[in-house]
Amino acid sequence: NAGVTQTPKFRVLKTGQSMTLLCAQDMNHEYMYWYRQDPGMGLRLIHYSVGEGTTAKGEVPDGYNVSRLKKQNFLLGLESAAPSQTSVYFCATTKIYRENYEQYFGPGTRLTVT
Amino acid sequence: TQLLEQSPQFLSIQEGENLTVYCNSSSVFSSLQWYRQEPGEGPVLLVTVVTGGEVKKLKRLTFQFGDARKDSSLHITAAQTGDTGLYLCAGAGGGTSYGKLTFGQGTILTVHP
Repeated sequence: NAGVTQTPKFRVLKTGQSMTLLCAQDMNHEYMYWYRQDPGMGLRLIHYSVGEGTTAKGEVPDGYNVSRLKKQNFLLGLESAAPSQTSVYFCATTKIYRENYEQYFGPGTRLTVT
Repeated sequence: TQLLEQSPQFLSIQEGENLTVYCNSSSVFSSLQWYRQEPGEGPVLLVTVVTGGEVKKLKRLTFQFGDARKDSSLHITAAQTGDTGLYLCAGAGGGTSYGKLTFGQGTILTVHP
């Protein structure tokens, strides 16, 4: 039972390059999320999904695209990387029952754009 | 937009001291979570509080949800070096915000031996 896994763990890109971050979960949760974490700014939601085949914009979606073709996978794409996208990216899933939210995070991907 | 203000942003104390971290908002949340994050890892859920006025204890950690469900606090008694880390509060709202959490900026706690 791996929980939430992310690949890769580290990546360095040059401005204008593209890449895809992969998130996989084995908890059978419907909700999945992509966040970015920057110093002093907490976690900011990029995109999220409420189930297979669905995606929705979060707080900071510009420059990113996502896909949820399978329930267990959530992909985050950067079509043309910019230095402002240098950050640590976290994938998460959420178990929701009544008003209780239990969010489970992956280990993160550290991305540097030069 | 729902905002959560955490204070203080940084906290540096000696082992054995007590501390309190605050999480405040002008918005009402249906529930509030506290997470702890260690360097190089993702946040880990500590507790969820749901009812206004609720108090939950987790060993030396005490979590409180405000009566109006707009604020929360985390109190640590007799801090240990193992408590060092980033503490994040997150609120869940109902209606159009269903399924999303709003995170505070975080409090970096350093406990010195």
